[in-house]
Amino acid sequence: DTGVSQDPRHKITKRGQNVTFRCDPISEHNRLYWYRQTLGQGPEFLTYFQNEAQLEKSRLLSDRFSAERPKGSFSTLEIQRTEQGDSAMYLCASSSLMNTEAFFGQGTRLTVV
Amino acid sequence: AQSVTQLDSHVSVSEGTPVLLRCNYSSSYSPSLFWYVQHPNKGLQLLLKYTSAATLVKGINGFEAEFKKSETSFHLTKPSAHMSDAAEYFCVVSDNDMRFGAGTRLTVKP
Repeated sequence: DTGVSQDPRHKITKRGQNVTFRCDPISEHNRLYWYRQTLGQGPEFLTYFQNEAQLEKSRLLSDRFSAERPKGSFSTLEIQRTEQGDSAMYLCASSSLMNTEAFFGQGTRLTVV
Repeated sequence: AQSVTQLDSHVSVSEGTPVLLRCNYSSSYSPSLFWYVQHPNKGLQLLLKYTSAATLVKGINGFEAEFKKSETSFHLTKPSAHMSDAAEYFCVVSDNDMRFGAGTRLTVKP
């Protein structure tokens, strides 16, 4: 197991298109987090899962964003009708237990043109 | 609701001098606290963590942090800065989900 992997690493899309990102956590990690990071800012919490259950979703997340973790393993983050303001690095992390350290993937850099 | 405030957006030190990066937190419960480091174009790496054991926590690369409940602080220190320490540092609070501070950019001058 080589850690948290995210795919794709880079995505350029036209405004109004839908995009989907995938995150594969470390095996047997039951917690999975999604964050968004823009230049010069700290990672902003989007949502997290405990196994397949989505336990919390940031109020900053509009209805255009949806995340799933159907079998408690990998997760997908979809953004519908992308806007230029969605351009950011999208980070995924996983952890084994509540309040233990989270391990981060390299992120997916989204550019909306 | 939990939150983190990093008191300095930018800290500049000379190589060989001490480093202090300040962090205050707010949490309803007894939180876990972390410091992560992010080098340019690199992923986030855990420096150290506090999870209700010893209040003085030692991390990688000579970094330490002290949990002070009365001050709701978790400041990061290092006795002697090295050029390779130049990076962005994030304080994180977790009592369910994980919330990041805005970050402190550490610059190390030769």
